[in-house]
Amino acid sequence: DAGVIQSPRHEVTEMGQEVTLRCKPISGHNSLFWYRQTMMRGLELLIYFNNNVPIDDSGMPEDRFSAKMPNASFSTLKIQPSEPRDSAVYFCASSPRTGEDRGNTIYFGEGSWLTVV
Amino acid sequence: AQKITQTQPGMFVQEKEAVTLDCTYDTSDQSYGLFWYKQPSSGEMIFLIYQGSYDEQNATEGRYSLNFQKARKSANLVISASQLGDSAMYFCAMREGSNTGKLIFGQGTTLQVKP
Repeated sequence: DAGVIQSPRHEVTEMGQEVTLRCKPISGHNSLFWYRQTMMRGLELLIYFNNNVPIDDSGMPEDRFSAKMPNASFSTLKIQPSEPRDSAVYFCASSPRTGEDRGNTIYFGEGSWLTVV
Repeated sequence: AQKITQTQPGMFVQEKEAVTLDCTYDTSDQSYGLFWYKQPSSGEMIFLIYQGSYDEQNATEGRYSLNFQKARKSANLVISASQLGDSAMYFCAMREGSNTGKLIFGQGTTLQVKP
């Protein structure tokens, strides 16, 4: 079975440019998460969706960041304009459902390594 | 507020020996879930094991087991018969609340397995 698929795997861009990161969750999963990992702050949740609806975007750093989930099989995280401090690994993750049992284990993609110069 | 603490920045273990990675958590929720993930140098996050707060038995998944002590709010990961491929960063995480999938993570422990 295919896991969570992210693209691009690596991106180097200049400050001020728009960056779009893409994610395809595991088929049948109805929760999708965007996390950011940096050395200084570790893993942080940026936003998550249930059934394509944004539930909690309190982790989105500022207005330069936006995320969409137009359908159950696709999500984007956009940074416009990008800044050097946005350099990080961005993970997309999905889970079958929210709830209390192990069924809501969150599975991660391989990450998108972003460098803004 | 929920919090995960991993007090061991780095650990060494001899190949074929067992190792315990510590994790303590703080939550006021009665229902929660605890997870361990492995992050090798290639960067992906690999799910290892899950423990629910109401599970009476410690979770096991192959060579991984979770030593869950609810009263002490600890969820230590035990890796038995360490292998060179176990060298990686290990993250403890807690699902926040009973009806969300949102995870909060500890800072991680780097494990190095010596041949």
